[in-house]
Amino acid sequence: DAMVIQNPRYQVTQFGKPVTLSCSQTLNHNVMYWYQQKSSQAPKLLFHYYDKDFNNEADTPDNFQSRRPNTSFCFLDIRSPGLGDAAMYLCATSRESRGDEQFFGPGTRLTVL
Amino acid sequence: DAKTTQPPSMDCAEGRAANLPCNHSTISGNEYVYWYRQIHSQGPQYIIHGLKNNETNEMASLIITEDRKSSTLILPHATLRDTAVYYCIVRVPTGNQFYFGTGTSLTVIP
Repeated sequence: DAMVIQNPRYQVTQFGKPVTLSCSQTLNHNVMYWYQQKSSQAPKLLFHYYDKDFNNEADTPDNFQSRRPNTSFCFLDIRSPGLGDAAMYLCATSRESRGDEQFFGPGTRLTVL
Repeated sequence: DAKTTQPPSMDCAEGRAANLPCNHSTISGNEYVYWYRQIHSQGPQYIIHGLKNNETNEMASLIITEDRKSSTLILPHATLRDTAVYYCIVRVPTGNQFYFGTGTSLTVIP
């Protein structure tokens, strides 16, 4: 089935050690999003790609970067994870921007030791 | 920034209708109302969306007031699997961004 896939589902890293989370999609959607969701909070948009155009949210820390090498894949890089970056990271896609629903992956739960 | 206000939690008896309210008093004329839900430890799932008219699909109904300042999501026959956090989102159609509010945690009771 077409879907949004996130690997790994659980990731453990050490304080300050760079980590990359990956997302892939078989929907051929133009837009891909990364959200951060901390415990008992709503998802918070970090950034999104419309095709190759990167759109950063104003309050997303510089510690968070993203890459989209092709339509299917998108990566979230955390350059120097802090304890406060422990969260569920959700990837989502949408076909276009206008009025289209977003399809979410299952998320990657990041633990920072 | 989130533009919606929802009650933090609600209970509903299994088999009864669950009515989840959402306040979006600052909504603009071209902004859609979306509803998503998130079952524990899963990604959010799309339920329904609308602009002005009431909408219905296989999952739920969306009732939007005439002044569009509030809406209600209706799950007609709640089951235990409907226990989740329900998010009401207001979205500009020309933008890509979704900004989630705090959501309502719905518990369906046997």
